[in-house]
Amino acid sequence: DVKVTQSSRYLVKRTGEKVFLECVQDMDHENMFWYRQDPGLGLRLIYFSYDVKMKEKGDIPEGYSVSREKKERFSLILESASTNQTSMYLCASRPGQTNSPLHFGNGTRLTVT
Amino acid sequence: AQSVAQPEDQVNVAEGNPLTVKCTYSVSGNPYLFWYVQYPNRGLQFLLKYITGDNLVKGSYGFEAEFNKSQTSFHLKKPSALVSDSALYFCAVRDPYYGGSQGNLIFGKGTKLSVKP
Repeated sequence: DVKVTQSSRYLVKRTGEKVFLECVQDMDHENMFWYRQDPGLGLRLIYFSYDVKMKEKGDIPEGYSVSREKKERFSLILESASTNQTSMYLCASRPGQTNSPLHFGNGTRLTVT
Repeated sequence: AQSVAQPEDQVNVAEGNPLTVKCTYSVSGNPYLFWYVQYPNRGLQFLLKYITGDNLVKGSYGFEAEFNKSQTSFHLKKPSALVSDSALYFCAVRDPYYGGSQGNLIFGKGTKLSVKP
């Protein structure tokens, strides 16, 4: 069974801090994604990656960056956290076939104070 | 432009009754359609998908969904609801015609299903 693991379930950070959210998948999936989930807004795509060292902007990339140095790991970076980045962050992966479903991690609930 | 709509923020059902969670979509070609469920403080879990073929697709936990091309809908259904079905449900669509960023899944805003004993 596919497992997508997000390193933290809950994080509390201060405004201006640099924040790293880590995600690891164990099924050799080519594609990995970072979403944020906010009430009433559903899921919005921040960044995604088709392969190692490749990244593409999603719908809301401002204030975020990503890193994919190894196939199994996809990191989301908040260069300078702000209170409007308080949210639930979800990592997902899927194989290269476009009709494959996404497999999600359990999420990281980030609070920026 | 691709889009997906879940017209109900919340659906309330009595246990044992049938349930329907609605989803409509807009894509330029033939869609790939998905339903996901999210339990509290968890990530999303895949329930079922429609890619091609039979319009009625069956998925996990007794759920099914019917693809209706003329109405551009993909409603989620279950004949007899359980209290444990209470969760947040997301519909998602992808237009396989597009690659790159336009080819990613578009999610609806979610529908909260509440099943009362």
